[in-house]
Amino acid sequence: AQKVTQAQTEISVVEKEDVTLDCVYETRDTTYYLFWYKQPPSGELVFLIRRNSFDEQNEISGRYSWNFQKSTSSFNFTITASQVVDSAVYFCALSEEGGASGSRLTFGEGTQLTVNP
Amino acid sequence: SQTIHQWPATLVQPVGSPLSLECTVEGTSNPNLYWYRQAAGRGLQLLFYSVGIGQISSEVPQNLSASRPQDRQFILSSKKLLLSDSGFYLCAWSPGLAGGEQFFGPGTRLTVL
Repeated sequence: AQKVTQAQTEISVVEKEDVTLDCVYETRDTTYYLFWYKQPPSGELVFLIRRNSFDEQNEISGRYSWNFQKSTSSFNFTITASQVVDSAVYFCALSEEGGASGSRLTFGEGTQLTVNP
Repeated sequence: SQTIHQWPATLVQPVGSPLSLECTVEGTSNPNLYWYRQAAGRGLQLLFYSVGIGQISSEVPQNLSASRPQDRQFILSSKKLLLSDSGFYLCAWSPGLAGGEQFFGPGTRLTVL
């Protein structure tokens, strides 16, 4: 069975600090997909990134960057120069190949990030 | 572009009453559809998913049911609500591809009293 662990329940930083959100996953599949979602106070989940298991290149998008390491089964998310608007709950998720079952996601418990001015 | 709608946005219901939450998707065909529940301060739990009209798979045995009467319509129902059914219900869709990202609706906040 697949599992996603986000060990950090809550993180609090001061604006402009860098912050890294950890994600560790477990799966028996060789083909799988990893995701990060942001849930602001409004509640709607916002898709941030999708990574497949064959692509270990790190990715940067503005102030966001992701570090995927298969050797440690980790997919960590870093926000550089954090801003108050980054305050939200962040979820890491895992999907196995799915096929006829669709892309069912297993979510971690989420990390509440608070960025203080 | 694709959009996903959910209604109602909030709902307060007494224990033992029925429930019907609706989700519709626009701008795509034959999507995979999902219902999740999020209890306060917790992660998301997949309740049901559907890969086509009339095809429903249940992840967690409970007093909820789902139906997909049309390609882009997904309904979550209950005949008798329990206190433990309170939570935030999210509908999502994904393309019919393996490992496709899911896009979520705005959610329905259900309080059972």
